[in-house]
Amino acid sequence: ELKVEQNPLFLSMQEGKNYTIYCNYSTTSDRLYWYRQDPGKSLESLFVLLSNGAVKQEGRLMASLDTKARLSTLHITAAVHDLSATYFCAVDIGGGYQKVTFGIGTKLQVIP
Amino acid sequence: NAGVTQTPKFQVLKTGQSMTLQCAQDMNHEYMSWYRQDPGMGLRLIHYSVGAGITDQGEVPNGYNVSRSTTEDFPLRLLSAAPSQTSVYFCASSYSPSGNYGYTFGSGTRLTVV
Repeated sequence: ELKVEQNPLFLSMQEGKNYTIYCNYSTTSDRLYWYRQDPGKSLESLFVLLSNGAVKQEGRLMASLDTKARLSTLHITAAVHDLSATYFCAVDIGGGYQKVTFGIGTKLQVIP
Repeated sequence: NAGVTQTPKFQVLKTGQSMTLQCAQDMNHEYMSWYRQDPGMGLRLIHYSVGAGITDQGEVPNGYNVSRSTTEDFPLRLLSAAPSQTSVYFCASSYSPSGNYGYTFGSGTRLTVV
């Protein structure tokens, strides 16, 4: 059974600081997704990482994938209040979306 | 494009009642799915479809039925509601079943079963 673990589960940080959210998974995979959810809202796709060593950046967020370590990171640079949200990673063990397992999310609070 | 549209946004049911959660997308996406989101448990896949006429079970299918008669619509039916089905339900779609694209999610249906 695939297990997807995120840490930390809750992160409070000041504006301007850098931090990293980690996503570990237990089974070989070469597809990993990051989503953002604002309180009471739906999920928004941030990144799709499709191969070992993949790195994608959008604004202050950068995601990477190390399939050998079964690890993805979401790095936040110079955080701003607008980044406050819950971030989910989701892992595909193959066979398409029917095999995607979500982590339980990391709630990020950026304090002005 | 409206994206993925879910209705209703909120619903309260009594135990034993049945209802259908509606999901429609206008992006010509092949893949559609239903997830439920519960506190501390992330999202769990209920049912999915890789195209019109094709559906299959996900991780937590018991108590739910689906059908996909058209590419656009993927309704989720609760057969006999139970308090354990209190949750937030999300419909999601994607261009390809292969997983090379992220999902587009609907806005969610918050369901309470009393």
